[in-house]
Amino acid sequence: GAVVSQHPSWVICKSGTSVKIECRSLDFQATTMFWYRQFPKQSLMLMATSNEGSKATYEQGVEKDKFLINHASLTLSTLTVTSAHPEDSSFYICSAFSGGGGRGIRGNTQYFGPGTRLTVL
Amino acid sequence: DAKTTQPPSMDCAEGRAANLPCNHSTISGNEYVYWYRQIHSQGPQYIIHGLKNNETNEMASLIITEDRKSSTLILPHATLRDTAVYYCIVRVDNQGGKLIFGQGTELSVKP
Repeated sequence: GAVVSQHPSWVICKSGTSVKIECRSLDFQATTMFWYRQFPKQSLMLMATSNEGSKATYEQGVEKDKFLINHASLTLSTLTVTSAHPEDSSFYICSAFSGGGGRGIRGNTQYFGPGTRLTVL
Repeated sequence: DAKTTQPPSMDCAEGRAANLPCNHSTISGNEYVYWYRQIHSQGPQYIIHGLKNNETNEMASLIITEDRKSSTLILPHATLRDTAVYYCIVRVDNQGGKLIFGQGTELSVKP
């Protein structure tokens, strides 16, 4: 089955620092990846759509200069939280779109990573 | 994408069938019904999806009403590991379509 990994699984940083989170599709190529944020006891909120080789598309209310997204290859997208503050503390989850699918991989399906817990002190 | 309505929580006895309802009365003809679940502190997991016919896989069954305005996800023999938040999402099955999550149903399977 499709596997999507995220690194790191958790991170604690000081206020004002930048944090990079990686999202990798391990056994399929993903031209499109998505980034979500989830606060405690709440649902997932879509932040942005990451397209390989082009600029990300951000949802309304998400600051593109604060949440930098790079999708440099078909298997890797990164989210950088710049100048993080305590209110940015959250669970960040990525997903990768399987497109045409493949061996053991269902097509046209979003596969999610395990999430990264960010705590900003 | 059409909005969905789900009960906030449900309980189910271990070994019994769990039937999770979802209303999507404004669904369009080209929108699919997707079900995902999220176990605490993990990323969501795909369960099943369908357009208008009932679907079954190794995890669950999806029953969609004839008018497509509602659906039911059935876990035939719930186990404690099925305790999770279940999300019903409708969207056009276009290439790379994003998923918009509602509040979902928190299913508690009890021994």
